[in-house]
Amino acid sequence: DQQVKQNSPSLSVQEGRISILNCDYTNSMFDYFLWYKKYPAEGPTFLISISSIKDKNEDGRFTVFLNKSAKHLSLHIVPSQPGDSAVYFCAASASTGNQFYFGTGTSLTVIP
Amino acid sequence: KAGVTQTPRYLIKTRGQQVTLSCSPISGHRSVSWYQQTPGQGLQFLFEYFSETQRNKGNFPGRFSGRQFSNSRSEMNVSTLELGDSALYLCASSIAPNTEAFFGQGTRLTVV
Repeated sequence: DQQVKQNSPSLSVQEGRISILNCDYTNSMFDYFLWYKKYPAEGPTFLISISSIKDKNEDGRFTVFLNKSAKHLSLHIVPSQPGDSAVYFCAASASTGNQFYFGTGTSLTVIP
Repeated sequence: KAGVTQTPRYLIKTRGQQVTLSCSPISGHRSVSWYQQTPGQGLQFLFEYFSETQRNKGNFPGRFSGRQFSNSRSEMNVSTLELGDSALYLCASSIAPNTEAFFGQGTRLTVV
């Protein structure tokens, strides 16, 4: 049972434009969400997180939005750069639980 | 500050053999989690250790086991290897459960 879903396996965006990566979850107990970026042959790198008490968190070019009623979060990258080309995973956890649940990832390609 | 170190980086084993993978967390991190990543799949949670205790285990057969030592280093063991165990095994450490996890580069296991 996939509790965290990333329904777009891939996304292509022109350099300088906005990249929007989406993530949906089913468990209403999830209250902490993270985004990771992964290059081939490397482990995932932590990007940004958000707790359920917020609906937005920014860090430089990266902004995560959380819509609790829709059980949806998104990662915005503005402006997109070729170095952003990677696989992006969203993850969620419940403060009462002991693990993170990961989505299957979205492969982002930023075209120069 | 050194990151999460996983050894070995690459491993080739034969069906039926057993394998032990090692993970050294970031200094000061007491929580270690293990994940399996296979092509087309997200990160599948294996288990999580905190202060030498396994706090949670994912939906994997008993052939997969792990442990954590007093210095927070962790090992995972897979016995009676099957072809389907071929995957990237990732270790992540965090200061405490349910906080940002930092991943190692992974161990690429190939079972032939």
